Amino acid sequence: RKEVEQDPGPFNVPEGATVAFNCTYSNSASQSFFWYRQDCRKEPKLLMSVYSSGNEDGRFTAQLNRASQYISLLIRDSKLSDSATYLCVVRGPATGRRALTFGSGTRLQVQP
Amino acid sequence: NAGVTQTPKFQVLKTGQSMTLQCAQDMNHNSMYWYRQDPGMGLRLIYYSASEGTTDKGEVPNGYNVSRLNKREFSLRLESAAPSQTSVYFCASSLQGTNTGELFFGEGSRLTVL
Repeated sequence: RKEVEQDPGPFNVPEGATVAFNCTYSNSASQSFFWYRQDCRKEPKLLMSVYSSGNEDGRFTAQLNRASQYISLLIRDSKLSDSATYLCVVRGPATGRRALTFGSGTRLQVQP
Repeated sequence: NAGVTQTPKFQVLKTGQSMTLQCAQDMNHNSMYWYRQDPGMGLRLIYYSASEGTTDKGEVPNGYNVSRLNKREFSLRLESAAPSQTSVYFCASSLQGTNTGELFFGEGSRLTVL
């Protein structure tokens, strides 16, 4: 089983739609969680951190469910510029290397 | 405002050839990383350097070596390239480890091994 699993998509949505991605992680001792964005043939960039209480950044909302070991990202009012691959990232437990483990990504295509 | 610079951006090798990927950052970061990205696999950590003078193996170190030349530079060497090493390689840096979760990536180096 992969440490971090994501639905690869693609999710094809019209402009203005609301779309949500989920990600599951296998290590219950994982400490921190993040969403990265990667445009086609570009480098990944941090989109937002995911806090236990949930957090919002403009049209983006991230949530964490530790009991079920999943993280979600909600995008409201989708824009064409949101088209990208969204990577779920988990930081390892305190006793380990504390490396960041990346999911393989969920591709979003926003259509006009 | 260069950030993380990787060279070369593209390379084609024959099986058995060697090469070095160069990486430099100008953000005065302590930690540097090498990842590879393959379709359906996500980014996988090859080696990292928590600080100048230290290097450690990541998830997939076999077939690679690294050198943290100084605080700015972290190179990745393939001694005898194999087709399984065909991938996109990303160098990244962070101010101090992975505490904030923010890594700054270079633009990537696309390597094909024939």
